[in-house]
Amino acid sequence: SQTIHQWPATLVQPVGSPLSLECTVEGTSNPNLYWYRQAAGRGLQLLFYSVGIGQISSEVPQNLSASRPQDRQFILSSKKLLLSDSGFYLCASFWYTQNTEAFFGQGTRLTVV
Amino acid sequence: SQQGEEDPQALSIQEGENATMNCSYKTSINNLQWYRQNSGRGLVHLILIRSNEREKHSGRLRVTLDTSKKSSSLLITASRAADTASYFCATSTSGTYKYIFGTGTRLKVLA
Repeated sequence: SQTIHQWPATLVQPVGSPLSLECTVEGTSNPNLYWYRQAAGRGLQLLFYSVGIGQISSEVPQNLSASRPQDRQFILSSKKLLLSDSGFYLCASFWYTQNTEAFFGQGTRLTVV
Repeated sequence: SQQGEEDPQALSIQEGENATMNCSYKTSINNLQWYRQNSGRGLVHLILIRSNEREKHSGRLRVTLDTSKKSSSLLITASRAADTASYFCATSTSGTYKYIFGTGTRLKVLA
């Protein structure tokens, strides 16, 4: 089965600083990859998804961006963080063409101060 | 918003009772899945129901799907304190690669 590695687990960053969160996938090839953000006590908001290398679809542009430099690597970035970027960020891998489950990383809790 | 809605938002029951939570969604789907999230952790898959299925069972879990009403329900029977968590439905949207989650139900099972 798939394993999603996400790091770091926690991150405290000052407003205006850059951000780079990395997600890597093991146990599969050519997955669809997703970045979600979860505010405290809330649901998951889809931020970006990617169906292949270099292919990024944005749901919530704001000041975040995503890249997929390799098949099993998905990166979430920001040039200048805002207070509103605080939250719990989850990376997920999902095979769209099959009726199978999504696999999630353990998440990164980002606090912008 | 494309996000699905779940109700109730929060549910508190006694151990041994059944817990029912509902999910509504907005688009045509390929399948609907339920996930569980313990506080501050990633999501764990519970059960998947395809769009052409109406009911599915897995252990103490029972899921129903009504595509005409765009709704699903998750029933947890004989609940345990360890079932305390947030539960989310997620839909695989037909014609896109989007994977949309509901707002979640926070379940608390009292021992």
